[in-house]
Amino acid sequence: SAVISQKPSRDICQRGTSLTIQCQVDSQVTMMFWYRQQPGQSLTLIATANQGSEATYESGFVIDKFPISRPNLTFSTLTVSNMSPEDSSIYLCSVYLAGNYNEQFFGPGTRLTVL
Amino acid sequence: AQKITQTQPGMFVQEKEAVTLDCTYDTSDPSYGLFWYKQPSSGEMIFLIYQGSYDQQNATEGRYSLNFQKARKSANLVISASQLGDSAMYFCAMREGRDSNYQLIWGAGTKLIIKP
Repeated sequence: SAVISQKPSRDICQRGTSLTIQCQVDSQVTMMFWYRQQPGQSLTLIATANQGSEATYESGFVIDKFPISRPNLTFSTLTVSNMSPEDSSIYLCSVYLAGNYNEQFFGPGTRLTVL
Repeated sequence: AQKITQTQPGMFVQEKEAVTLDCTYDTSDPSYGLFWYKQPSSGEMIFLIYQGSYDQQNATEGRYSLNFQKARKSANLVISASQLGDSAMYFCAMREGRDSNYQLIWGAGTKLIIKP
């Protein structure tokens, strides 16, 4: 299994500002994912961040709005830029670990409110 | 087309009763995996159970079991003897074997509320 921590756990931000979310894993992982979960909704994949390569963004998400860094195999950051109230969501990082079930492990999430 | 369908937006169940949460899926990939996750109000995603497309038996993990009907493309989660702590959102997800990025395709979720 993997233990994942995220910082901050929650934040309230003003529109037009940016927030960087950190994700730390207790083991080395190749694949890391960033999700957004809007209130009452399912998870939506923002991007896949593999160490050593540029993040791959899903349709509807762009690097200018959600820049991602992946400097090593245990750490990643997601920045939410030029925020608007529509960015109010839970942001979750997760990792894929090959194992019994090949499941994804999730961090505790970052609850973002944009005023 | 929806690849994962959860038709029950919400369910109320009496404590100690069994619960079945529905999930149907759509894929042409013969190799795939099905996952169930629980998300309490605190927000973390908790992995519950996994079923592989080639698994001969239905998966079980404690009070959780998966009613896997491959021909019907359904993978319903069964929770036996429900407890108040089972109140949460439940998500069904699928990974297709041909996806080299190991991405999960998510259902819309079912909000389960256990009544005392």
